[in-house]
Amino acid sequence: AQSVTQLDSHVSVSEGTPVLLRCNYSSSYSPSLFWYVQHPNKGLQLLLKYTSAATLVKGINGFEAEFKKSETSFHLTKPSAHMSDAAEYFCVVSDRGGGADGLTFGKGTHLIIQP
Amino acid sequence: DGGITQSPKYLFRKEGQNVTLSCEQNLNHDAMYWYRQDPGQGLRLIYYSQIVNDFQKGDIAEGYSVSREKKESFPLTVTSAQKNPTAFYLCASSIGQLGGTGELFFGEGSRLTVL
Repeated sequence: AQSVTQLDSHVSVSEGTPVLLRCNYSSSYSPSLFWYVQHPNKGLQLLLKYTSAATLVKGINGFEAEFKKSETSFHLTKPSAHMSDAAEYFCVVSDRGGGADGLTFGKGTHLIIQP
Repeated sequence: DGGITQSPKYLFRKEGQNVTLSCEQNLNHDAMYWYRQDPGQGLRLIYYSQIVNDFQKGDIAEGYSVSREKKESFPLTVTSAQKNPTAFYLCASSIGQLGGTGELFFGEGSRLTVL
């Protein structure tokens, strides 16, 4: 069985300061991990994904995430927040042993950007 | 532009009525999915289809039905048997199965409110 825990339901940062959104996972297999972003009343968009290649993954809009197997973590970071980053962020784990329904979504972290 | 189109964006339903949500994609993807999103709950899988004329139940299929008569279309019917249908519904597609490295492409969602 697999699971994913997003450690913060809300994160608030000032514009121009670093962003850290935390995600821990558990998986019986070598997982694939994803971060998706959702702006209000919109669908989700892929930010970045880890699929057993480089442990530091760069995504769109300046975001990156580091896969740490020893800590079972996949935290999302950005050096400098922008107002347009305000959104809901979802960490997702994919179990390679599973089928088309092998994705598990975290409950989301709401990122608030203060001017 | 290729993408996924969901309609209607907003829908109101009286208790006891069935309602059908439309999902169309022109990405030539084999697999399609329906997710339900509730505040603070992440996404939960309702149904998915890997190929035309075939579909499988997800984690919360009770009270819902789907069909996949064409590759491009995957409509979802919310029946009167669904006890708590008010939610945001998201349709997604992928090139292949998601048990490995597949990425989901999402529509912009349909918000259903039961009056």
